[in-house]
Amino acid sequence: EPEVTQTPSHQVTQMGQEVILRCVPISNHLYFYWYRQILGQKVEFLVSFYNNEISEKSEIFDDQFSVERPDGSNFTLKIRSTKLEDSAMYFCASSEMAAFLAQHFGDGTRLSIL
Amino acid sequence: DQQVKQNSPSLSVQEGRISILNCDYTNSMFDYFLWYKKYPAEGPTFLISISSIKDKNEDGRFTVFLNKSAKHLSLHIVPSQPGDSAVYFCAASLDKLNTPLVFGKGTRLSVIA
Repeated sequence: EPEVTQTPSHQVTQMGQEVILRCVPISNHLYFYWYRQILGQKVEFLVSFYNNEISEKSEIFDDQFSVERPDGSNFTLKIRSTKLEDSAMYFCASSEMAAFLAQHFGDGTRLSIL
Repeated sequence: DQQVKQNSPSLSVQEGRISILNCDYTNSMFDYFLWYKKYPAEGPTFLISISSIKDKNEDGRFTVFLNKSAKHLSLHIVPSQPGDSAVYFCAASLDKLNTPLVFGKGTRLSVIA
């Protein structure tokens, strides 16, 4: 079964540094999402992306965050100047259609900010 | 602002018995509800959903019940198996298409052999 793959599985970064989290969505999917889960907390929606544009974003997704689909296969989340509170598990998801109900999630990248 | 609440952080159940996971919500405009299952070091996987126009949806060992007046839903797993041990997230959406999912904090289910 096709999968959403995320790399790296664990990223350790110094506070203030830029970090890029990478995702390869399922190949025929057109809608892409990022979520995060701070340890012990709920999974929180960050952003959705379609047709090279952000469709929806949450209040968490401020100017420090950006997303990009640099080529036909990757979908990236960049955090420009990381803060301690950015430490979390970041999940990428994709769906074939514009339905939050049909998302497939990757296994996540654990981001640790020191 | 916890629109979706899972008040039990953990639950232990004997193998073969019923597991009941509960979820409460505050926003009466939610139209779809979902349950996701998550194993350690993996992403959430979709388990079962229910539309607000229904009060029950069944898929094999998994049944979701929705009580709109109480703003409460529950996931029943019968019979529980050790492989069901995971974190279960309740999620809700205002519509089927364009509104992001709102998740609860999850309940860790342990099925004991």
